[in-house]
Amino acid sequence: GQQLNQSPQSMFIQEGEDVSMNCTSSSIFNTWLWYKQDPGEGPVLLIALYKAGELTSNGRLTAQFGITRKDSFLNISASIPSDVGIYFCAGQQGGSEKLVFGKGTKLTVNP
Amino acid sequence: DAGVIQSPRHEVTEMGQEVTLRCKPISGHDYLFWYRQTMMRGLELLIYFNNNVPIDDSGMPEDRFSAKMPNASFSTLKIQPSEPRDSAVYFCASKGGGLLQPQHFGDGTRLSIL
Repeated sequence: GQQLNQSPQSMFIQEGEDVSMNCTSSSIFNTWLWYKQDPGEGPVLLIALYKAGELTSNGRLTAQFGITRKDSFLNISASIPSDVGIYFCAGQQGGSEKLVFGKGTKLTVNP
Repeated sequence: DAGVIQSPRHEVTEMGQEVTLRCKPISGHDYLFWYRQTMMRGLELLIYFNNNVPIDDSGMPEDRFSAKMPNASFSTLKIQPSEPRDSAVYFCASKGGGLLQPQHFGDGTRLSIL
C-alpha cells in the first residue's frame, strides 16, 4: 500500500530552537495535511496545503507543499514547551476521501 | 461546538469477548471514518461512511470486525470475538462534504484485550 516516509522519528530540542520535519512519498498527493497529537487525545489539524508549491503559516508554524507533490515539510519557530507532542503528516489523493498518514515525529522540548 | 465524541475512552476485556466502540460525529458532517493506531503500524484507516453508507471497508482487518452507521449521529465498530492483537487506540473522525474539508478526530478509545 501507499506509504509516507516521515522524518525524523523523534527530536529533542531546547526551548526557543526552531524545528523542521518532513514527509516524502513515491506517490503524488493533491492535498497534504499536518496534524498534532497530544497524549491521550486525537490528532488535531494544524495546517492544510492544497496546491503544489503552496507555503502556508499558522502562527509559529509554516508548512510547504512540494513542487513535485510528493513531499511536504513543517517548520516550527521559537519552540515552546507546549509544542511537545507527535506531529503527523497525511496525504490525500485527488477524488479520494482517504488519508494516508506518516508514522509521526515525536517532539520533546526541554525548558 | 461539540467535537467528535467517542465512548468508552478505555476498555479492558478478555479475549473472546465482544467489544463495541461508539462514535457520535460532529453534527452536519456527512463523512465518518474509523481508524486504528498502533506503535508498529501507525494510524490506519479501517472503514469510512458517506451519508451513513459504507464506502470503503478495505482496511477492515478481518471478518471479526464490523462497523455500522444506523443514522447520521451514531456509528459503532464491533469486534467479535476479540483477540490480544486487537489491542490499540481506535479513533473516529468526521468531516463535512467537499474534498477541501478536513477530518476532525475524536479522542479515541484505548482498547486492551487480555
